[in-house]
Amino acid sequence: DADVTQTPRNRITKTGKRIMLECSQTKGHDRMYWYRQDPGLGLRLIYYSFDVKDINKGEISDGYSVSRQAQAKFSLSLESAIPNQTALYFCATSDPTSGSIETQYFGPGTRLLVL
Amino acid sequence: SQKIEQNSEALNIQEGKTATLTCNYTNYSPAYLQWYRQDPGRGPVFLLLIRENEKEKRKERLKVTFDTTLKQSLFHITASQPADSATYLCALQTGANNLFFGTGTRLTVIP
Repeated sequence: DADVTQTPRNRITKTGKRIMLECSQTKGHDRMYWYRQDPGLGLRLIYYSFDVKDINKGEISDGYSVSRQAQAKFSLSLESAIPNQTALYFCATSDPTSGSIETQYFGPGTRLLVL
Repeated sequence: SQKIEQNSEALNIQEGKTATLTCNYTNYSPAYLQWYRQDPGRGPVFLLLIRENEKEKRKERLKVTFDTTLKQSLFHITASQPADSATYLCALQTGANNLFFGTGTRLTVIP
């Protein structure tokens, strides 16, 4: 987990507030991902980026935006937070040099509560 | 619709026994299937990967099988230990290179 860091680790915010979750990695991987995890629903992909100039929507991108500031940094923003965005958020990276296999490396997660 | 189901939300076994976790999927044609371990408050950690043309893969006390006809993978932990207690996630990778995760099975190994 130390190779992929997320800040903050915990966040409480109010409905309507804009917040940003940050992810940094020292693995040198080009590919980065944002997931959310909810009980009973598993991990769901929000956005992913295959390099600095590439941003793609995942399964549940509505209400979220991302920014890939550098190879090592990928931020997730909630423009106007709502209570059903309360979840555990994970950043992950993967290495395309390993061929087509998408083994992913996850950060420790950010627990977000929207009141 | 596409679905990935892991056999049960929770599984309790006695220490020393073999734990068997199931991952079933529908409407996917995965090129690879992966298993991850997740501890409370932590991110998932990769354990094993099996390709569509492989029947079985082993790593120490772990064994994974993959049956593309049944659309099922089995994950076995032999000689289970309390330290094996965690949530185990299966993940399918299709040709598009993204991973699709199951909801996980929480394994508890009872001393």
